[in-house]
Amino acid sequence: VLTQSPGTLSLSPGERATLSCRASQNVGSDFLAWFQQKPGQAPRLLIYASQYRGPGVPDRFSGSGSGTDFSLTIRSLETEDFAVYYCHQYGNTPGTFGQGTKVEIK
Amino acid sequence: QTHLQESGPGLVRPSGTLSLTCTVFGYSISTGNFWGWIRQSPESGLEWIGSVSHAGDTYYNPSLRGRVTMSLDTSKNQFSLKMSPVTVTDTAVYFCVRGSSSPTAAGLWGPGTRVTVSS
Repeated sequence: VLTQSPGTLSLSPGERATLSCRASQNVGSDFLAWFQQKPGQAPRLLIYASQYRGPGVPDRFSGSGSGTDFSLTIRSLETEDFAVYYCHQYGNTPGTFGQGTKVEIK
Repeated sequence: QTHLQESGPGLVRPSGTLSLTCTVFGYSISTGNFWGWIRQSPESGLEWIGSVSHAGDTYYNPSLRGRVTMSLDTSKNQFSLKMSPVTVTDTAVYFCVRGSSSPTAAGLWGPGTRVTVSS
């Protein structure tokens, strides 16, 4: 089970966002991803293997963590970053997702 | 550039069979990777359904209790999902995905297709 916190993050453009994902068992560091989803769209890969940015992902997004505790940081929020973010462990079968963190404009 | 596109009926009757196809553009599915399905509903969130490797090995979510079958059609560069029997709780947006490093990875997604189970 992956538990994300907080459920909602209310911030202003330019602020720093830190999202948390906690796993109920060790998932290592090689198989944890973060996705961004906007309304009506499919999730988009941001981070894979805990820390590596996906194709075309801006460097204001960064990931860290290992074992059971992971985080996604958005250094300075742009207007297009307001969305829902999911963590995903893909080292075990079945793969599982967190319930999501909504980053909304304050 | 590789992209994926789901297709199939948007409405399925309870106890019937849900059948979806994913067409892959810009990459031969027989070359490598895992080709999978994930669904999303307000009630259950994102749920990994399963995947099939480029070699045809299949991996399924145990929670779906044997209702799922996946396969490749390399001649059409497509892969498919069949789920039977379905109930109203299978109503969701279904995404086809490509994973690289494991059967449950999902680095590239199709836009999704909404499937409603209703009589």
